[in-house]
Amino acid sequence: AQTVTQSQPEMSVQEAETVTLSCTYDTSESDYYLFWYKQPPSRQMILVIRQEAYKQQNATENRFSVNFQKAAKSFSLKISDSQLGDAAMYFCALITSGTYKYIFGTGTRLKVLA
Amino acid sequence: KAGVTQTPRYLIKTRGQQVTLSCSPISGHRSVSWYQQTPGQGLQFLFEYFSETQRNKGNFPGRFSGRQFSNSRSEMNVSTLELGDSALYLCASSLVWLAGGRDNEQFFGPGTRLTVL
Repeated sequence: AQTVTQSQPEMSVQEAETVTLSCTYDTSESDYYLFWYKQPPSRQMILVIRQEAYKQQNATENRFSVNFQKAAKSFSLKISDSQLGDAAMYFCALITSGTYKYIFGTGTRLKVLA
Repeated sequence: KAGVTQTPRYLIKTRGQQVTLSCSPISGHRSVSWYQQTPGQGLQFLFEYFSETQRNKGNFPGRFSGRQFSNSRSEMNVSTLELGDSALYLCASSLVWLAGGRDNEQFFGPGTRLTVL
């Protein structure tokens, strides 16, 4: 079975500081994709960043980057220079070529303190 | 390009009733997936439709059903509503079906908040 675990229900970060959100996953498939989605309060969920399992290079999107540790099945999200607009629920998600469906973690609520 | 739209945004029903939710994907997207989001269970996959065919489904009872039309719009139906069906129902569209590899990024709608009394 595929699982995604986010062990931090809530995190806080000071504005302009850096924060790392943790995600671990489990799958026996070799072909899979990992995603971080952001869900702001009362707003639509949007994709933050994605990582293909076959790529060794960590994905980066502006202030967002991941630390993809394939052997450890870890996929953490680093947010640099945090902004008030980064406050949201962050979901880690996995999709494998075997199951063809997204498995989401339980989410981490990020608070950004001014 | 317009995003994913869902109607209605809010719905209040009573136990035993049935409900139909609608989702219009991004133009050109042929895959539509549905999720149930609750504080306790998080995001749970309901099903995915691609080219009017259900390609995959999650672990939900048969009271939950869906369909997709030739224009890729999708509807989800829940019959004999229970209190536990109260949730935010999210629809997501993607260019290809979720097994399609590279273009399997999902774009989410704002959701329909269903309250069952």
